[in-house]
This record gives sequence, C-alpha cells and structure tokens, in this order.
Amino acid sequence: RKEVEQDPGPFNVPEGATVAFNCTYSNSASQSFFWYRQDCRKEPKLLMSVYSSGNEDGRFTAQLNRASQYISLLIRDSKLSDSATYLCVVNSPAGNMLTFGGGTRLMVKP
Amino acid sequence: SQTIHQWPATLVQPVGSPLSLECTVEGTSNPNLYWYRQAAGRGLQLLFYSVGIGQISSEVPQNLSASRPQDRQFILSSKKLLLSDSGFYLCAWRRGSGATYEQYFGPGTRLTVT
Repeated sequence: RKEVEQDPGPFNVPEGATVAFNCTYSNSASQSFFWYRQDCRKEPKLLMSVYSSGNEDGRFTAQLNRASQYISLLIRDSKLSDSATYLCVVNSPAGNMLTFGGGTRLMVKP
Repeated sequence: SQTIHQWPATLVQPVGSPLSLECTVEGTSNPNLYWYRQAAGRGLQLLFYSVGIGQISSEVPQNLSASRPQDRQFILSSKKLLLSDSGFYLCAWRRGSGATYEQYFGPGTRLTVT
C-alpha cells in the first residue's frame, strides 16, 4: 500500500461547480497534513495546512478524518484558474520529511 | 521574506557527463533543505535532505550526491549522468525549528539527459 494515495483523475468540472478530492494515508502516527497545488511544469505551491480537524480559506476547505486516515479538499465555485494538479502531503512522524501523493488533476471548463 | 533560488532553470546534458545543480535560500537561517525529483507524469521523490552544514541524509541510493557547504546553500551533483536521471529537480526548505512543517519549493531545474 502506498503511504499517500490519491485518485489521479482527471476531474473535469464546469465553472462554478463544487469538487472534492480525497486522499488516504497509511501511517496513523502522522500529525500534519497539507494540500499543495502544482501547475503544469511549475513547482508545487502550498495551498493549505491541516493541523487539527480542518481548515478553511475562502472557497477551499480541507478536512481531516484521523479515524479513517483520510484528508479531503473541497473547492467551491470552481474557477478556470483552479485547473491544476492537487497534491496531498503528509508529514512523517519523525518530523523532517513530507510524503507526497501522486496528485489529482483538476480541469475546470468554461 | 524568504526566497529560494535554483539554477539553472533548464539543462540538457549528454549521458555520462557530470551534473551540478545549485539551490540557495535567502531570508532565513539554519533551514532544513531538501532535493526532490519529479519524473515526467510522476510524483515527487525525495532524494536528499539536510538539517545543517555538512549533514546529508540520502533517501534513495543512486548515482547522485548532495552537499551543503554553507547554511543556505544546497548542491546536487553527479559524476556521470544516466538517461534515467532526466526529470524536474526541486529544492525545498522549511524552518529548522518550530512546530510547523510546511516546505516551500524553488522554481526547479528541468534536466534532460540525451
């Protein structure tokens, strides 16, 4: 089993739609979780950090379910500019390293 | 504010040639530094990380090496490149202490080995 698993997609949604991605992780001792956004041929950029049960920033909401070991990212009112690959990231319990999922590709269509 | 630089931005090298990629961080001291590789269409693979000058941890055995000659400088090297070394090389930093673990990436170097 991979340490961090994501559905690779692509998720094709119209503008204005609500879309949700799920991510599962294998190490129950993990404490910190992140969503990064990566545009084509660019570096990943931090979108949200999740240290407790969830986090909300504008149209973006992240939720953590420790019992089931999954993290979700909800995007409301999708914009064309939201088209990107979204990476689910989990901090190793030792603290120094992050483990990245393979990413979920989102394509928002007009 | 902190900034991270990588160079070169793109590189085309023949098989068997040496490699040196450089990463520098500004605006912070004693950062943790990381080298990742992302092959085409694949996820990020951690290659090396460093918690201080001269300290290198290797995550994947291969023909690459890393060095940290200064606090805010991280170098990725190879003596002889392989075709499989092609990819997008990303340097990242995070604060060396504190309860936050976010990493911030440089713009990357796109390496093509021919």
